[in-house]
Amino acid sequence: QAVVTQEPSLTVSPGGTVTLTCGSSTGAVTSGHYPYWFQQKPGQAPRTLIYDTSNKHSWTPARFSGSLLGDKAALTLSGAQPEDEAEYYCLVSYRGARVFGGGTKLTVL
Amino acid sequence: QVQLVQSGAEVKKPGASVKVSCRASGYTFTSYSMHWVRQAPGQGLEWMGIINPSGGTTSYAQKFQGRLTMTRDTPTSTVYMELSSLRSEDTAVYYCAGGRDFWSGPDSWGQGTLVTVSS
Repeated sequence: QAVVTQEPSLTVSPGGTVTLTCGSSTGAVTSGHYPYWFQQKPGQAPRTLIYDTSNKHSWTPARFSGSLLGDKAALTLSGAQPEDEAEYYCLVSYRGARVFGGGTKLTVL
Repeated sequence: QVQLVQSGAEVKKPGASVKVSCRASGYTFTSYSMHWVRQAPGQGLEWMGIINPSGGTTSYAQKFQGRLTMTRDTPTSTVYMELSSLRSEDTAVYYCAGGRDFWSGPDSWGQGTLVTVSS
């Protein structure tokens, strides 16, 4: 099974910008892997932020955006808020099988 | 809007089976596929599989092949996840999550069900 890799932890200042990435052991992550991004706060269920690389749900704050960056999927947070402190997970599809990354703990400090 | 309500916490002994339900409302039940995802204490998310309520088609992660069964009951708009031969490592919160089709990821999540496996 493929392994999906994320930064274990990142820190961003309030109002700052940070980019989280999502890589694959099989090679480049492309739009054909339909990458998703999720936010999870302690004690809560995950919330889907981004689907199919860059599409936002109605509940996704405008400061979050998804893209491909080099050979990885990326989630960029522009104008970080204290409430954005959370764990972030990506999900990559491999011809039907889905694999989550290990998650990035984002600290807003 | 989409609402997914899961059954309550379970405590099981090693070797037993557990069946978790997920009742859907707010949309046409057969128009959304359903993922199951679990999270062990202090760990990350793990994708288990998906069921298409329209025809009952399923796809399971290789790790759970032979131990995992997903079913649906259309009249009650409910999907079920049954995991057998439980071991302590199966202690986790289990989530159902709806996706717009069989090939997409999860968009809307249930509240989670804690399954504890302990002798």
